[in-house]
Amino acid sequence: SAVISQKPSRDICQRGTSLTIQCQVDSQVTMMFWYRQQPGQSLTLIATANQGSEATYESGFVIDKFPISRPNLTFSTLTVSNMSPEDSSIYLCSVGREMVHEQYFGPGTRLTVT
Amino acid sequence: AQSVAQPEDQVNVAEGNPLTVKCTYSVSGNPYLFWYVQYPNRGLQFLLKYITGDNLVKGSYGFEAEFNKSQTSFHLKKPSALVSDSALYFCAVSSLSGGSYIPTFGRGTSLIVHP
Repeated sequence: SAVISQKPSRDICQRGTSLTIQCQVDSQVTMMFWYRQQPGQSLTLIATANQGSEATYESGFVIDKFPISRPNLTFSTLTVSNMSPEDSSIYLCSVGREMVHEQYFGPGTRLTVT
Repeated sequence: AQSVAQPEDQVNVAEGNPLTVKCTYSVSGNPYLFWYVQYPNRGLQFLLKYITGDNLVKGSYGFEAEFNKSQTSFHLKKPSALVSDSALYFCAVSSLSGGSYIPTFGRGTSLIVHP
């Protein structure tokens, strides 16, 4: 397993500003993922962030809006840029050790954009 | 492409009764199947997985799931429900062949266990 922490746990931001979410893992992992989840709903994958390579974005998500950094095997950041109320959501970081095995999730960051 | 269907938005069960949360999947290659649970205001927690081998897999908190290849199902079960089992449950599928190693999640099923 892996223990994952996220900062901040929640934030209220004004439209037009940016927020950077941090994800810290207690051990080295190959794969890190960023998801978005509306409360009580399913997860939508934003991007896959593997160390040493550019993040791979899913359809509907672009680097200019959601830049991601992965400087080492235990840390990643997701920035939500030029926020609008539609960006209000829960953002989850997860990690995986092997390609088809389970993921471990952080507690999430609840973002509200006013 | 791969997909997961959780046909029930909500499942209600009385404490002490058996529970089943349904999941069916579609994938071209061999499926890798997962169940996760999400308690209020928490991230997802891994419950159990099927990779290969015995069709009945056992996981955390007394949960188990049965892989049925002919019905393409992976239903989550527990013999005796607890009020503390009330949460949101997600089924997920991935594949190395004919799909994506990145799992596809179902829309989730809210389990409510009544005292």
